[in-house]
Amino acid sequence: DIQMTQSPSSLSASVGDSVTITCRASQVISKSLAWYQQKVGEAPKLLICDASRLESGVPSRFSGSGSGTEFTLTISSLQPDDFATYYCQQYYVIPYTFGQGTKLEIK
Amino acid sequence: QVQLVQSGAEVKKPGASVRLSCKTSGYSFVNYYVHWVRQAPGQGLQWVGTINPNSGAMGHAQNFQDRVTFARDMSTSTVYMDLRNLRSDDTAVYFCARDGGFDYPLYYFDSWGQGALLTVSS
Repeated sequence: DIQMTQSPSSLSASVGDSVTITCRASQVISKSLAWYQQKVGEAPKLLICDASRLESGVPSRFSGSGSGTEFTLTISSLQPDDFATYYCQQYYVIPYTFGQGTKLEIK
Repeated sequence: QVQLVQSGAEVKKPGASVRLSCKTSGYSFVNYYVHWVRQAPGQGLQWVGTINPNSGAMGHAQNFQDRVTFARDMSTSTVYMDLRNLRSDDTAVYFCARDGGFDYPLYYFDSWGQGALLTVSS
């Protein structure tokens, strides 16, 4: 199975800050990577697919980049609604696997 | 709008079986795969498997060792997940989720159900 490793596991930031979360795959996955946001008690929400394509309705302060084995999710000008847990997911090969999550907390 | 509405929480004993349902609406049922993803308490996300609602073909993660199957009811646009020989480590919230691809699966998930908690305990 492809292992997805996110860093950091947790992150504290303030409203207005810019933050970057990294996701590394244990083998090449081309650009077959999605990012999700999950709030406590809710289902995940798709933010980005194909490593950098923003899902319809997602604010432009979210951006993704990368290919191969290393990917990043950047959130610029953090808003109060952005404090949540973020997961990456590879869909290059079965089984489709997720990172362990990055919890973004308010400083 | 696209909606996936799941059945309620279940409590089962080890060794038992469970059927979870996911009723879809707001889109063409036969044109999008539906996946199941689970999340153990305080843990991350794990892909369980998928069904093609058009053909009924299915696939699942190997670690379920054929304990899991999927079904669909085209008359009600509902998919089901059956999990057998339950173990305590099957305790999790189970989400159904629609595939992001129309007619051809892309294997990321663009709409999700609200989740259903399955508790396996003696």
